[in-house]
Amino acid sequence: GQQVMQIPQYQHVQEGEDFTTYCNSSTTLSNIQWYKQRPGGHPVFLIQLVKSGEVKKQKRLTFQFGEAKKNSSLHITATQTTDVGTYFCAGTNTGNQFYFGTGTSLTVIP
Amino acid sequence: NAGVTQTPKFQVLKTGQSMTLQCAQDMNHEYMSWYRQDPGMGLRLIHYSVGAGITDQGEVPNGYNVSRSTTEDFPLRLLSAAPSQTSVYFCASRRQGGYEQYFGPGTRLTVT
Repeated sequence: GQQVMQIPQYQHVQEGEDFTTYCNSSTTLSNIQWYKQRPGGHPVFLIQLVKSGEVKKQKRLTFQFGEAKKNSSLHITATQTTDVGTYFCAGTNTGNQFYFGTGTSLTVIP
Repeated sequence: NAGVTQTPKFQVLKTGQSMTLQCAQDMNHEYMSWYRQDPGMGLRLIHYSVGAGITDQGEVPNGYNVSRSTTEDFPLRLLSAAPSQTSVYFCASRRQGGYEQYFGPGTRLTVT
């Protein structure tokens, strides 16, 4: 079956440092989404990437979709305490079934 | 709009008991789905529906039933609860042709 792996599982950074999480799929994806889940909360949609090599930015967050559409990354510049949470990627090749990565839990140390 | 609502928030069951987790959305979204979240495993799709009267299995459907009689509601039934079903369950919806999934607040289920 389709697998979406995500690394690292945990990341602790000092406030102001950068953070990156990586997502890899065993199969080619039609699109990939990114979600953020605060502790005790539910996943909240951040963005969707569709095109090969696509790069999108949201303020300090930069999202990339690989050329082969099998991997993606989320990079946060100059982390803040409000960035704390778990970041998930979710890929699909059918549009109906989304396969979530295992998530990266980000801790920001003030 | 209330968005996606789920009840109950917490539930404790004994092995073998049955129950229904409720999910409702008021955004007129055609697509609804159920996920379970376990530590270190992300979210896994249990069942999904692309519209009233249409359901399909996801990645981990065993032990769960769903039905979709209306656009608004998508209940998840546990037929005979097992400790392996201890998890946090999330319902999500999105409009057909859209891509953003809206998640409910979750139901934390413990099976003893």
